[in-house]
Formats: sequence, structure tokens, C-alpha cells
Amino acid sequence: DAEITQSPRHKITETGRQVTLACHQTWNHNNMFWYRQDLGHGLRLIHYSYGVQDTNKGEVSDGYSVSRSNTEDLPLTLESAASSQTSVYFCASSPGTRMNEQFFGPGTRLTVL
Amino acid sequence: SQQGEEDPQALSIQEGENATMNCSYKTSINNLQWYRQNSGRGLVHLILIRSNEREKHSGRLRVTLDTSKKSSSLLITASRAADTASYFCATTGAGSYQLTFGKGTKLSVIP
Repeated sequence: DAEITQSPRHKITETGRQVTLACHQTWNHNNMFWYRQDLGHGLRLIHYSYGVQDTNKGEVSDGYSVSRSNTEDLPLTLESAASSQTSVYFCASSPGTRMNEQFFGPGTRLTVL
Repeated sequence: SQQGEEDPQALSIQEGENATMNCSYKTSINNLQWYRQNSGRGLVHLILIRSNEREKHSGRLRVTLDTSKKSSSLLITASRAADTASYFCATTGAGSYQLTFGKGTKLSVIP
């Protein structure tokens, strides 16, 4: 069955380190998204991509970057992790249609000490 | 900034009762969606209603949309303990694939 996976599921890192969170989907969806979820804020969009080599900034993109070299993967990189980036991160994908239901991964809980 | 705002923030009901959650948004939309999130899990899509629709049903779910008031409601009938979760509304603007989420309603269904 097609699915969307994230790894690692849990990560503890130190301030200043570079961290990459992986997202992989097997639906062949054009659109992929990264969100962070924090208490009191709901889900906020970090970056998104509408296809290979396409990346766009979302609402809270500072300190994060993404790259899209193939359809299946959209890794999220924290260039220099900060304590404010402690959060739960969700990846999602959707087909490139107007009926844009998104399919979410299980999430990665990141703690920056 | 958040587009949708759910109300109430938390709701506790007895099994068998109906649960109603409301969502308000600020700008014009293409469609509005509702998602469920069980504790520690990812979000799962429940239902989508287009901007030109007023009501939609799916099983025990009923969604209404009032674009003049920029609001939507999600009704879960005959609730079950398994419905315990957080529920989020999300909106999409014209020509966009992006979703803007509200902060969610935490529903507890007591057996």
C-alpha cells in the first residue's frame, strides 16, 4: 500500500547542530509539505514543494530549508538547531488537483537541548 | 497567521451524545476541510466541503459551510469513545494547494 513515512520518529539534538528530518511518500504525489505543531499554535506551514526542483517558503520558514530532487522525498534541514525549534514535525503530501486532501506522516518529535 | 479558529477549544461529552465543533476563518476560500488527530499520531482527513456547497455528510459526520459568515461546523452524531481526538479545520484559498489550519478542538468522549 502507498504510504508516507518520516524518520526518525524521535530525535534529541543540541543547539547549533544541523539536523535533517526525512519524509518519503510512495503515492507519486506532486505536492509535499512540512508543518510544525506546537501547543497553542496548531499546525504551521514551514516549506512546501509543488514538484521536483520546486520549493517555497511557508509561514515559519526561518532556520529551515528543503530540497526536492525527486518526487518521493522532501527532507527538512534545520541548519543550526535552536531551542525554539523543539516541536513535532509533520510531513504531508497531496496530488496536484483542486481536491487537495493532504495525507500526513506519523510525525517526528524533535527536542533541541 | 492562522486562518481558522475552532470553537470550543475543548469539549467533553458522554458516549452516544452529539458533538458540534465550529470553525471561523478570515478570507475567501476554495474549500474547507476537517481533519482528526489521535494523540501522538498524524492527521487524518475526514471531509472536504467546497465553497459552493452548504452541507455535506459522510457517515456520522455532517459539515456545514456558511461563506457569508465565514464559518463551518462539524457535527459528529452518536459519538463513541473512539471519536476522542483533536479536530482541526483547514482552509484553502483560490488557486492554492496550501492548507491553513486552525488550532483545533480537543474532543473527549466518555464511555
